[in-house]
Amino acid sequence: DAGVTQSPTHLIKTRGQQVTLRCSPKSGHDTVSWYQQALGQGPQFIFQYYEEEERQRGNFPDRFSGHQFPNYSSELNVNALLLGDSALYLCASSSGLAELDTQYFGPGTRLTVL
Amino acid sequence: DQQVKQNSPSLSVQEGRISILNCDYTNSMFDYFLWYKKYPAEGPTFLISISSIKDKNEDGRFTVFLNKSAKHLSLHIVPSQPGDSAVYFCAASFQGGSEKLVFGKGMKLTVNP
Repeated sequence: DAGVTQSPTHLIKTRGQQVTLRCSPKSGHDTVSWYQQALGQGPQFIFQYYEEEERQRGNFPDRFSGHQFPNYSSELNVNALLLGDSALYLCASSSGLAELDTQYFGPGTRLTVL
Repeated sequence: DQQVKQNSPSLSVQEGRISILNCDYTNSMFDYFLWYKKYPAEGPTFLISISSIKDKNEDGRFTVFLNKSAKHLSLHIVPSQPGDSAVYFCAASFQGGSEKLVFGKGMKLTVNP
């Protein structure tokens, strides 16, 4: 049973560019959340997708957008990249029907903005 | 505004002894608390959770205690093992573990053989 997978593992971009990160949830999960983890900090909630719609959103600007596909996979898009967007981006999946009420995290995508 | 605080950045204990990791929160509306551990180059892994209607939850070597009046929770690991060495995050939610999680900054635990 595959867990949460994310691609790519690492990414280097320059300021002003746009980036797309991808996530496949754990089998049986229908909800995907995205978090940003800056160096030395805990993960910060960006948004959550359920039934292809954004259900909750954290305190992030509109440059951060997302999408969920019918197979429950998800993308995180960041436009007009800033140096401060350099971080580890974590995807987590969950399900209201799961035995454990928790989120399962992928290994993350390390984004470096130069 | 840090709503979930892990005030000690690191802890070092001897193998076999107890590890106690502490976490404080400021928002009394949180109703569900979780602990995750994270190894380098991996995502956070769920350890244990507790609902606000309980004051203790146990799972093997891991026990989480919740003191709502003090807005404080702690994770006890007994006995500690070298494989427990990792960064531990405390997280809180307003409505269950599948909803938005608010994380602390993390604490690095080192268990020495």
